[in-house]
Order: sequence, then structure tokens, then C-alpha cells
Amino acid sequence: GQQVMQIPQYQHVQEGEDFTTYCNSSTTLSNIQWYKQRPGGHPVFLIQLVKSGEVKKQKRLTFQFGEAKKNSSLHITATQTTDVGTYFCAGRYSNYQLIWGAGTKLIIKP
Amino acid sequence: KAGVTQTPRYLIKTRGQQVTLSCSPISGHRSVSWYQQTPGQGLQFLFEYFSETQRNKGNFPGRFSGRQFSNSRSEMNVSTLELGDSALYLCASSLTSVYEQYFGPGTRLTVT
Repeated sequence: GQQVMQIPQYQHVQEGEDFTTYCNSSTTLSNIQWYKQRPGGHPVFLIQLVKSGEVKKQKRLTFQFGEAKKNSSLHITATQTTDVGTYFCAGRYSNYQLIWGAGTKLIIKP
Repeated sequence: KAGVTQTPRYLIKTRGQQVTLSCSPISGHRSVSWYQQTPGQGLQFLFEYFSETQRNKGNFPGRFSGRQFSNSRSEMNVSTLELGDSALYLCASSLTSVYEQYFGPGTRLTVT
């Protein structure tokens, strides 16, 4: 069935270090969306990737969509305390179904 | 433009009771999705409605049901509540199914 695997489940980093989360689908996606959920909040849309090999940047965040449209990554450069939260990917399939990854929780070590 | 609103924000129910949660999408959005979120399970998709029709459904028992009205407002109902139904229920709206989703603040349901 359609499934989106997201790793890692948690990542502990020192402030200033980089952070990366990865999503993989066994079948081709129509597009992939990324969301951020702050502690105690609700998911907030970050970006949508549609084209094969697409790379988009938002300040310190870099989003990539694989050539085969089966995988994606989110990379944060030089993390800050405001980056804390859980990052979710959600893959859209051709039948309109949106399948969510389990999320990666970013924890900044004091 | 007003965001997605959900009512009530908090709810305490007893096992065996039923509950109805409401969601008002952003004006102009025709697609509404519902999710269950628990600390250990992440975001679990319940169902998606578009123009009053259920388009997709997640793997939840028949006790979970929903509907969408002609003004795109949506309700979800859980009958015969179980302790395991305690969770944050999130509603999300989008223009249509292919666009990004905007989430409401959620309804926190506690079943005792």
C-alpha cells in the first residue's frame, strides 16, 4: 500500500548545528508537502514540491524532491531555538490520497 | 481572512458516550480533512471531504464518521467512545484536494 517513511524519529542537535529529515515512498508521488508543528501547536504548511529534482529554499531551510519523485528531504542550516518542533512530510498520490510521514522531532540540546 | 476554526476546543466525555466535533474551513476552501493525533502515533488520517462527498477514508472503525455540509463546514462523530479515543482531533482545509492544508487549533478530547 501507499506509505511514506520518515526518518529519523528524533534528532538532538546543539544550537548552530545542521538538521536533516528524510522521507521515502515506495511509489511515485504527485507532490510532497512539508509542515512544521511547534510544541502545543498545530501543523503549519511550509512548502510544496511538485517537479522531479526540485530544490527550494526558505532562508536556512532547503527542501529537495528526488528525481524519481519518491523521496524528499528537509535540511536546516545552523539551527536556532525557534526551529524546535516536529517536521512532517506528506506525500500526495495520484488518487489524491495524502499520506503523512511519522514526523521528525527536532530537539535543541541546552 | 479567518483561519480554520474548531469547536469545542476541549471536551471531556465518558466511555460509551458519543461526541460531535465541528470544523469551519477557511472561506472558499472546499476540502476538509480530519486527523487524530496522539503522542505516540503522530498524525492519523481519518477522512477527507470535498464538496459534501467523502473522498478518502483512513483505517478507523465505523464508530468514526463524518459529513460535510453545502457551506463546506464539516462535522465528525465518534460513537461509543473508548478510552483510546482520547486525542487531539485536528481539522484541515484546503482549496481543493491537491493544495496545501491549513489546520485548525484542534479539539482535545478526553475520555474517562
